[in-house]
Amino acid sequence: QSALTQPASVSGSPGQSITISCTGTSSDVGGYDYVSWYQQHPGKAPKLMIYEVSDRPSGVPDRFSGSKSGNTASLTISGLQAEDEADYYCSSYTSNSTVVFGGGTKLTVL
Amino acid sequence: QVQLVESGGGVVQPGRSLRLSCVASGFTFSTYAMQWVRQAPGKGLEWVAVISYGGSNKYFADSVKGRFTISRDNSRNTLYLQMNSLRAEDTAVYYCARDRSTVTSRLDYWGQGTLVTVSS
Repeated sequence: QSALTQPASVSGSPGQSITISCTGTSSDVGGYDYVSWYQQHPGKAPKLMIYEVSDRPSGVPDRFSGSKSGNTASLTISGLQAEDEADYYCSSYTSNSTVVFGGGTKLTVL
Repeated sequence: QVQLVESGGGVVQPGRSLRLSCVASGFTFSTYAMQWVRQAPGKGLEWVAVISYGGSNKYFADSVKGRFTISRDNSRNTLYLQMNSLRAEDTAVYYCARDRSTVTSRLDYWGQGTLVTVSS
């Protein structure tokens, strides 16, 4: 159950777009369309932003979008805003009927 | 509104046991799978365990398999995590979260977390 691979940090200026990658294997990300993304602000519980690769829960701005190609999923945030500064985690269902998270990416809005 | 409230955390010595609870409200608890996720201080999220809506299917992370047990009481809208043979590396904030099923990895509501500290 190795963690999914995410960049440790990304940054962007307000109004710009950024993309966070999440790389797994054919036993998790590549094998199922059950990839989710979570946003976590310091001291807070995680919040679901994307599920099933590209679906958004109600209330999540359409500036957040998800995609997948092979064993790599991606989260794109367009029109960056100051409140988007947070940690972001991807997760995937796995062939062992378990869940695996990525190591997390710290987004800094410059 | 959906609420998940964890309790039972605290300081415990290595090798001892602790049971966490998560009380759910605002939704039909018995129709959702439930998950436990933990986060060590300053670290990322780590999945711990999942239980199906009826309680018949349970899966665990390798790091806790054989030591932790997950259960639920649908009549009390409560999820449990029994943690035995605790180790220093189990120190973390433990979150319970709701999921559509055991296969979707779609944790749409989370509790506020309860801190478990394993230390002598």
